[in-house]
Amino acid sequence: DQQVKQNSPSLSVQEGRISILNCDYTNSMFDYFLWYKKYPAEGPTFLISISSIKDKNEDGRFTVFLNKSAKHLSLHIVPSQPGDSAVYFCAGGAGNNRKLIWGLGTSLAVNP
Amino acid sequence: DVKVTQSSRYLVKRTGEKVFLECVQDMDHENMFWYRQDPGLGLRLIYFSYDVKMKEKGDIPEGYSVSREKKERFSLILESASTNQTSMYLCASRAPGGIYGYTFGSGTRLTVV
Repeated sequence: DQQVKQNSPSLSVQEGRISILNCDYTNSMFDYFLWYKKYPAEGPTFLISISSIKDKNEDGRFTVFLNKSAKHLSLHIVPSQPGDSAVYFCAGGAGNNRKLIWGLGTSLAVNP
Repeated sequence: DVKVTQSSRYLVKRTGEKVFLECVQDMDHENMFWYRQDPGLGLRLIYFSYDVKMKEKGDIPEGYSVSREKKERFSLILESASTNQTSMYLCASRAPGGIYGYTFGSGTRLTVV
């Protein structure tokens, strides 16, 4: 049973346009969500987070939106750059639970 | 700058060999994790440890064991390597509580031939 779902395995976007990566979850107990970015042959790096009491968090070109009623969050990248080409993972966490629950990832390709 | 260091970036081992993957963190974190990443399967948790000498099985512990003798070091052991253990292995550590995420190492690409 996948508690965090990233239904699009891949996404292709033109440079300068908006990239929207989606994530759905089933566990209402999540207190926060995280987005990680992963380049090939490297470990994932933290990108942005959002608490479940917020509906938006922005950091530069990256904005995460949370819709709790729909159990849906999305990561917006504006404007997209070729260096953003990577696999993006969404993860949910709850309270003091040590483990994060991960989606399967979305591979983003930003074309020049 | 906080760091998680995995001892090898690339490893090639033979079927049946015992393989040790080492991970060291310098953040004094209690929680450490071993994942493997395979295309289309995301990040799958193998084992994690929430304190020295403490460990818990993750989602796919079969064929693996772990050791945590010191807080900063968490080792993953493949008792008898098999070709289906060819994968990218990722170590991570995390501070307890809060909205803190994981800090990952650079990964070890293990090929079992």
